Amino acid sequence: NAGVTQTPKFRVLKTGQSMTLLCAQDMNHEYMYWYRQDPGMGLRLIHYSVGEGTTAKGEVPDGYNVSRLKKQNFLLGLESAAPSQTSVYFCASRRDRVYEQYFGPGTRLTVT
Amino acid sequence: GIQVEQSPPDLILQEGANSTLRCNFSDSVNNLQWFHQNPWGQLINLFYIPSGTKQNGRLSATTVATERYSLLYISSSQTTDSGVYFCAVAPSGGGADGLTFGKGTHLIIQP
Repeated sequence: NAGVTQTPKFRVLKTGQSMTLLCAQDMNHEYMYWYRQDPGMGLRLIHYSVGEGTTAKGEVPDGYNVSRLKKQNFLLGLESAAPSQTSVYFCASRRDRVYEQYFGPGTRLTVT
Repeated sequence: GIQVEQSPPDLILQEGANSTLRCNFSDSVNNLQWFHQNPWGQLINLFYIPSGTKQNGRLSATTVATERYSLLYISSSQTTDSGVYFCAVAPSGGGADGLTFGKGTHLIIQP
C-alpha cells in the first residue's frame, strides 16, 4: 500500500494563478483532511471531508476550495493564489471511528 | 477550541543523552498523536496515544488523560533524532475534528 500520496511535491506560482493539489489514499479511509504549515509553526486545518461528496471548513479555509468526488481522492484548489498562501500543505486520512490520522509527504508551494 | 502547549520550545543535547518532552492540553481528547518532523520536512507518526503508555525502541510515550498531559521520552539520543517534535490532539465528542497541533519542541542532538 502506498498510504497517503500527494501531487505535486513542489510548485511555484505567480500571484493570481490557480492550481489544484491532489491527495490520494489507498486505505479506504472515510475521513480526509487538508492542513497547512507555516514556518516555525504547527499544522492548521484548512478543510476536511467525512466521506465522498462531503466537505467542511476548518480553521483557515479562506482562499481555498475542496472537492471529494471519489472516496480515495481529496482535492485542494487555489483559485487566485496570494503570497500569504506560500506554505507546506499536508493531507491526512483516517478510518471512521478510529481517530489516528495518517499523513502524506507534503507539497511545498511558493507564491511569488 | 482546544489549546495545546508544548515544552520546552528548544532543547540542545549531546548524543547519548535522554530527554523528556511535555504536551499539555486543555480539554478531554479522543486522539493524541506525537510526530517527528525531520530536517527535510517529512512528518513521521511516532505514537497514537490518547491514554496509557507505549514504547517503540528508544522512544516511549505516556498520556495521563485525566490530568491532560502527555510525555514523550527519548533515550540514548542519536543525531538522527534531531528535528521538531509535535504533539497534536482532537477533542472528545465523536466529531470529524481535525488535529490541533502544538508549536513543537525543536530538538538538536550534537555529536
